Amino acid sequence: GAVVSQHPSRVICKSGTSVKIECRSLDFQATTMFWYRQFPKKSLMLMATSNEGSKATYEQGVEKDKFLINHASLTLSTLTVTSAHPEDSSFYICSARDYPQGGTDTQYFGPGTRLTVL
Amino acid sequence: KNQVEQSPQSLIILEGKNCTLQCNYTVSPFSNLRWYKQDTGRGPVSLTIMTFSENTKSNGRYTATLDADTKQSSLHITASQLSDSASYICVPGYIFGTGTRLKVLA
Repeated sequence: GAVVSQHPSRVICKSGTSVKIECRSLDFQATTMFWYRQFPKKSLMLMATSNEGSKATYEQGVEKDKFLINHASLTLSTLTVTSAHPEDSSFYICSARDYPQGGTDTQYFGPGTRLTVL
Repeated sequence: KNQVEQSPQSLIILEGKNCTLQCNYTVSPFSNLRWYKQDTGRGPVSLTIMTFSENTKSNGRYTATLDADTKQSSLHITASQLSDSASYICVPGYIFGTGTRLKVLA
């Protein structure tokens, strides 16, 4: 099946710094990628939908200036957590949408990035 | 508001037993409904994908059903294995359910 990678898998940073997380689709082109956040023992919460070549669409309550998303190519989307604070500590997961012509609309998930802000 | 509620929240069963997980949703419209398995600290892995017009879809020991009229879906796991211990998440469209945490004991 299709593979989606995320980098880094874990990151620890000081409060006030910015952290960039990369999401790559390795064997297919993804015009749409999604960014999720997950708290312990909770389900995934959609943060934003990233469309290649255009601005991301953010879910209600998600600060777009806090969580910067760039989808500059068909295989790469980045999420930058700006001026991170301890409450931003979470598990961030991306997914990439694969919808080949005549095929099934499928969403493949990355392995996630564990962010800890001290 | 789009909601996806899953039941039970958690479930413990013995290895080899079957179980059924439920999903009730208010999401509409959507093109497909997916069931995912998520191990702790990992990204979700797709188990089944059903289009709006499909009633059932199987993938090995996993069988998903969909009733668009009642807006319900279920995931049936047969002959459970220890490795089935995980969270199972129902996703109509792109809205994630609350998940069911399954624990399979030897």
